[in-house]
Amino acid sequence: AQKITQTQPGMFVQEKEAVTLDCTYDTSDQSYGLFWYKQPSSGEMIFLIYQGSYDEQNATEGRYSLNFQKARKSANLVISASQLGDSAMYFCAMRADNYGQNFVFGPGTRLSVLP
Amino acid sequence: NAGVTQTPKFQVLKTGQSMTLQCAQDMNHNSMYWYRQDPGMGLRLIYYSASEGTTDKGEVPNGYNVSRLNKREFSLRLESAAPSQTSVYFCASSQARGIHNEQFFGPGTRLTVL
Repeated sequence: AQKITQTQPGMFVQEKEAVTLDCTYDTSDQSYGLFWYKQPSSGEMIFLIYQGSYDEQNATEGRYSLNFQKARKSANLVISASQLGDSAMYFCAMRADNYGQNFVFGPGTRLSVLP
Repeated sequence: NAGVTQTPKFQVLKTGQSMTLQCAQDMNHNSMYWYRQDPGMGLRLIYYSASEGTTDKGEVPNGYNVSRLNKREFSLRLESAAPSQTSVYFCASSQARGIHNEQFFGPGTRLTVL
């Protein structure tokens, strides 16, 4: 079965500091994609970053980077230089062939950035 | 481009009432999805439509039906609402079902069943 685990229900970070949000996944597929989404208090889901299982380099998108450790089945999101606008829920998700390529989401981590 | 739109934004129902949540996308995407979001549980897939003319059950389909009206529109129907269906409902679409394609989400519908 496909499963995403996010063990940090809530995180605090000081403005301008870096923060890592944890995500571990479980799949028997060799080919899969890992995604991070941001959900601010307004409720919309915003796509942040993608990592393919065969990608050799860690994905980066601006201040977001994905620390992908395939052997450990982890795909942690790193946000550098946190801003107040980064306060939101963050969801890790996976697509894999064994689940019909449908998304499986983790329970989310609520990040609060302190001024 | 409006992206993915959903109506209504908010709805209050009494137990046993029915309603249809509407979703439309203007990105010419093939695949569309309905999720529900409950506190501490992330998003769970209710139904999906891999392409026009097909629909399939997701993780939590009981109590729901869907219709893929055309390539743009995918509706979710609650025939007899129950308090357990109080949730936030998201519609999403993606270009295809490849594992690298992200999903684009609508703004959500907050549903309360009394």
